[in-house]
Amino acid sequence: AQKITQTQPGMFVQEKEAVTLDCTYDTSDPSYGLFWYKQPSSGEMIFLIYQGSYDQQNATEGRYSLNFQKARKSANLVISASQLGDSAMYFCAMNEDDYKLSFGAGTTVTVRA
Amino acid sequence: DTGVSQDPRHKITKRGQNVTFRCDPISEHNRLYWYRQTLGQGPEFLTYFQNEAQLEKSRLLSDRFSAERPKGSFSTLEIQRTEQGDSAMYLCASSLGLLSGRFTYNEQFFGPGTRLTVL
Repeated sequence: AQKITQTQPGMFVQEKEAVTLDCTYDTSDPSYGLFWYKQPSSGEMIFLIYQGSYDQQNATEGRYSLNFQKARKSANLVISASQLGDSAMYFCAMNEDDYKLSFGAGTTVTVRA
Repeated sequence: DTGVSQDPRHKITKRGQNVTFRCDPISEHNRLYWYRQTLGQGPEFLTYFQNEAQLEKSRLLSDRFSAERPKGSFSTLEIQRTEQGDSAMYLCASSLGLLSGRFTYNEQFFGPGTRLTVL
């Protein structure tokens, strides 16, 4: 069964504007972690932000923030003040079973000047 | 650079040949993971090691695949009798996982990947 769902295959955003990438997840485990990774065309997966299931506050890392709605099982990524270098594939992932990550299909973000 | 490294970055081979990839994790990380990523998809978990012990293997890892991590340092992933369906990006990641505990923050640092093309 698919554990991570990213429904937006591609998004366009104007430079300096904010963009929200959707992610919903499915688990019955009360303990889990949610991650967002960026994958530019070079292929390397770059860690952006983490949210633990017991964290009370939404995670923020610079221009990245995670809108965590536990009851809805959603963990949307918000990128503020988009830059041309933000153009990449973005993956939501969930860490359960204490080791492996389950990834969604990803969302391609294209930032327009 | 002290990040995760992978070698080679690209490999083109003919169907039926054997290939071997290497991954060097971040030195203090005790966990090492292999993932496979096909075009337009997210990475899929293949296997992971804690130190030198291989603790989990996905059903995606057929008998033609074998992974090792001798001495708990670098790891190799070998594919025997390659098939065209094996064409993918093979990603290695490492993390500093706790040796016990139900759940732990487990940020995985990824290498640049090895892109395999089977002709």
